[in-house]
Amino acid sequence: RKEVEQDPGPFNVPEGATVAFNCTYSNSASQSFFWYRQDCRKEPKLLMSVYSSGNEDGRFTAQLNRASQYISLLIRDSKLSDSATYLCVVTLYSSASKIIFGSGTRLSIRP
Amino acid sequence: DAGVIQSPRHEVTEMGQEVTLRCKPISGHDYLFWYRQTMMRGLELLIYFNNNVPIDDSGMPEDRFSAKMPNASFSTLKIQPSEPRDSAVYFCASSLGPGFEQYFGPGTRLTVT
Repeated sequence: RKEVEQDPGPFNVPEGATVAFNCTYSNSASQSFFWYRQDCRKEPKLLMSVYSSGNEDGRFTAQLNRASQYISLLIRDSKLSDSATYLCVVTLYSSASKIIFGSGTRLSIRP
Repeated sequence: DAGVIQSPRHEVTEMGQEVTLRCKPISGHDYLFWYRQTMMRGLELLIYFNNNVPIDDSGMPEDRFSAKMPNASFSTLKIQPSEPRDSAVYFCASSLGPGFEQYFGPGTRLTVT
């Protein structure tokens, strides 16, 4: 089993729709969680951190479910510009912190 | 700040040649990360440094790969000898710590023929 797993998609949804995807992780001791966005042929950029209590940034909501070991990203009122690959990141702190990126979920918003 | 700077942006080389990728992190960031991204394997962490010291190099694929950070503002990733399977995009990123946002450079697209 991979340490961090994401549905690769692609998710193809109409503009204005709500879309959600999850990222599961295998190590229950994981401590930090993030969502990054990567546009085609560009570098990843931080979209948002994921806090235990959940957090929202405009149309984006991130949640953490420690019991089931997954994080989620919800995008409301999707825009054409939301088309990208979304990468989840899980960090485990120790003497040598382990940082694992998921393989990404492709999202395509159609007009 | 100019962000993380990587050079070259593109590199095409023949199998067996030495390749050196360069990175300048954001000033004040104590952590520097090297990643490799391919369609098959996604984004893989190769090695990271804290205050110029390599902390975890377990992601370095084999002895042909080496990385150095001689000072806080410069790091290199070297492949010698290069092989076609090393073709990928190599990203450098820096941050204040492993639990903080990572800022990625634009990447070096390496093609080994």
